[in-house]
Amino acid sequence: NAGVMQNPRHLVRRRGQEARLRCSPMKGHSHVYWYRQLPEEGLKFMVYLQKENIIDESGMPKERFSAEFPKEGPSILRIQQVVRGDSAAYFCASSPSETGGYGYTFGSGTRLTVV
Amino acid sequence: KNQVEQSPQSLIILEGKNCTLQCNYTVSPFSNLRWYKQDTGRGPVSLTIMTFSENTKSNGRYTATLDADTKQSSLHITASQLSDSASYICVVSGGGSARQLTFGSGTQLTVLP
Repeated sequence: NAGVMQNPRHLVRRRGQEARLRCSPMKGHSHVYWYRQLPEEGLKFMVYLQKENIIDESGMPKERFSAEFPKEGPSILRIQQVVRGDSAAYFCASSPSETGGYGYTFGSGTRLTVV
Repeated sequence: KNQVEQSPQSLIILEGKNCTLQCNYTVSPFSNLRWYKQDTGRGPVSLTIMTFSENTKSNGRYTATLDADTKQSSLHITASQLSDSASYICVVSGGGSARQLTFGSGTQLTVLP
């Protein structure tokens, strides 16, 4: 079991470009959560998805950010027209069910740097 | 507003020594409290999970305590090893879902030989 896989591990984008972050959940997990960690701060919830559905996006910025979890393939967090303030570590976690709170596992994160 | 405050922000100890990390929270409702270890460049890994009725829980050299009345928790590490160098994050859950987690900003522990 490879665990939660995130790629790329590091991503550098110039201001105005698009960033695409990928998360493949653990085998058998159909629930994915995305978090953002700014320097010196704790992880902050962004969005919760099940296969083909966004369940809760209350933590997502209203503009430029979107997420999807298609029937096939990884979950994608997309940031359009990146700005310096988007520089952060982005983590995803997966679980077998929403209330499987004891069973969710984090990936190693994608570190986005906007130059 | 739900908050989790951790202290100290950073800590340096010598290998073999013990240390205690603190966590205060104002999260409501309360479901459980977790301590995670986050190595540099990695995702958080769960060390302990405690519910309202549990006062202490151990995982090897890690012992967590919880006082639900004062809303305080501590993580005690005994006989520290170099591999214990990491950020230790206190996380409070308001329910069973991972979207109901409130994360502290962590204590950065450095163990020196």
